Amino acid sequence: EAGVAQSPRYKIIEKRQSVAFWCNPISGHATLYWYQQILGQGPKLLIQFQNNGVVDDSQLPKDRFSAERLKGVDSTLKIQPAKLEDSAVYLCASSLGGTGLLKNTEAFFGQGTRLTVV
Amino acid sequence: AQSVTQLDSQVPVFEEAPVELRCNYSSSVSVYLFWYVQYPNQGLQLLLKYLSGSTLVKGINGFEAEFNKSQTSFHLRKPSVHISDTAEYFCAVSPGGYQKVTFGTGTKLQVIP
Repeated sequence: EAGVAQSPRYKIIEKRQSVAFWCNPISGHATLYWYQQILGQGPKLLIQFQNNGVVDDSQLPKDRFSAERLKGVDSTLKIQPAKLEDSAVYLCASSLGGTGLLKNTEAFFGQGTRLTVV
Repeated sequence: AQSVTQLDSQVPVFEEAPVELRCNYSSSVSVYLFWYVQYPNQGLQLLLKYLSGSTLVKGINGFEAEFNKSQTSFHLRKPSVHISDTAEYFCAVSPGGYQKVTFGTGTKLQVIP
């Protein structure tokens, strides 16, 4: 079974530039998550999708971050303009999702995209 | 609101020795608890989870954890570590399944040959 695919693996940009990350979840997984992991910290949930709808984006800095999952499959996360403090690893994860017992299925993580803003 | 505290940022241990990684949580509701492992330049992998039932949870790679509601703890243990266990370990809490998961700051386990 193919895992969660993310690209690129690494990205270096200057502050005020824009950047986009791509995630392809495991086939059939309805729920998709984007996490931000700053060096020395645990992952922080940025946004959660159920199919193509947003379930939780309470911690997404909406003035500069945006994410979409138009067809309910792959997703992109964009930062515009980037700041130095956005330097982090951006992790994508997916799970079967759903309701009831399916709500408790395991989330699988991709390898992440390491962003450095200089 | 919920939070997770991992008091030890780094834990060095000799190969084949036992190890315990500590995790304490706070939450105003019933919780689900998780331990994840992250190898260098990799994503997170689920080690084990407590959703309900037996408070002693066994996971992959010989790890286990015990849910202690009175002490609000979920410590991770392994009786004998291997070099390959060198990684960062994250404790996490959720009020419901995999929704709104909050991670701790992580504990780096360094296994010394």
